[in-house]
Amino acid sequence: EAGVAQSPRYKIIEKRQSVAFWCNPISGHATLYWYQQILGQGPKLLIQFQNNGVVDDSQLPKDRFSAERLKGVDSTLKIQPAKLEDSAVYLCASSAGSSGGASSYNEQFFGPGTRLTVL
Amino acid sequence: GNSVTQMEGPVTLSEEAFLTINCTYTATGYPSLFWYVQYPGEGLQLLLKATKADDKGSNKGFEATYRKETTSFHLEKGSVQVSDSAVYFCALYQGGKLIFGQGTELSVKP
Repeated sequence: EAGVAQSPRYKIIEKRQSVAFWCNPISGHATLYWYQQILGQGPKLLIQFQNNGVVDDSQLPKDRFSAERLKGVDSTLKIQPAKLEDSAVYLCASSAGSSGGASSYNEQFFGPGTRLTVL
Repeated sequence: GNSVTQMEGPVTLSEEAFLTINCTYTATGYPSLFWYVQYPGEGLQLLLKATKADDKGSNKGFEATYRKETTSFHLEKGSVQVSDSAVYFCALYQGGKLIFGQGTELSVKP
C-alpha cells in the first residue's frame, strides 16, 4: 500500500513570495491533516479535513495560509506572502475515518514532509 | 491546555546500552499516549501506544508504561542498535487532537 506522498521535498523562497505544497493521502483515507514542524519543536496541527470539509483550522494563520482539499482526495497548502518565521517542515498526514471524540483515535500516517526555507 | 514535555537531546549512546527518554504530559482526564519515531529522511511512524492508565505499549524492543499518578510515559529499550538512531516524539491524543512533545534525537554509535 502506497504511503502519503508530498511534493516538493524541498523549497527555498524569498520572503514575501508565495509557495504551495501538495499532498496525496493514502487511498481511501477520509481525514487529512497538515502540520507545521519548526526546527527543534514537535509538529503542530494547522488544519484538519474530513473528506473535503474543514474540521479544525483554529491554528491556521488565515491571513497568509490557505488550504483546500478538492474532491476529498489530494490537498494543497499555500502560503502567501511567506515570512521568515514560516521556515519549517510541513507534514501531511491521513487517517481512515474521523479522529473526533476523546476516546477514538484512528492512526495518522505521515508523509516525508516538505522542508521550506524562507530567506 | 494540554501539553507534552520530553527530555532534551541529543542523546548519544553506545550500541547495546540501555535507553530511557523521559516524557511527561499535562491534560485533563485520560488522554491516549503515543511514541512516534522519525528516521532520517522519512515521515513520522507510530512506534507504540497506550490508551489507559497502567497500559504498557511495546514494539521493536521499545516499551512505555502509562503512569497516571506521575503523568508520565517514559520510553525504554534494553539494548539499542545503530539502526535506532532517529528522533523520538512523545504525543497525547485528546479532544480530537494529537499534541506532540518537542522531540528527542537519539544517536547510537557502534
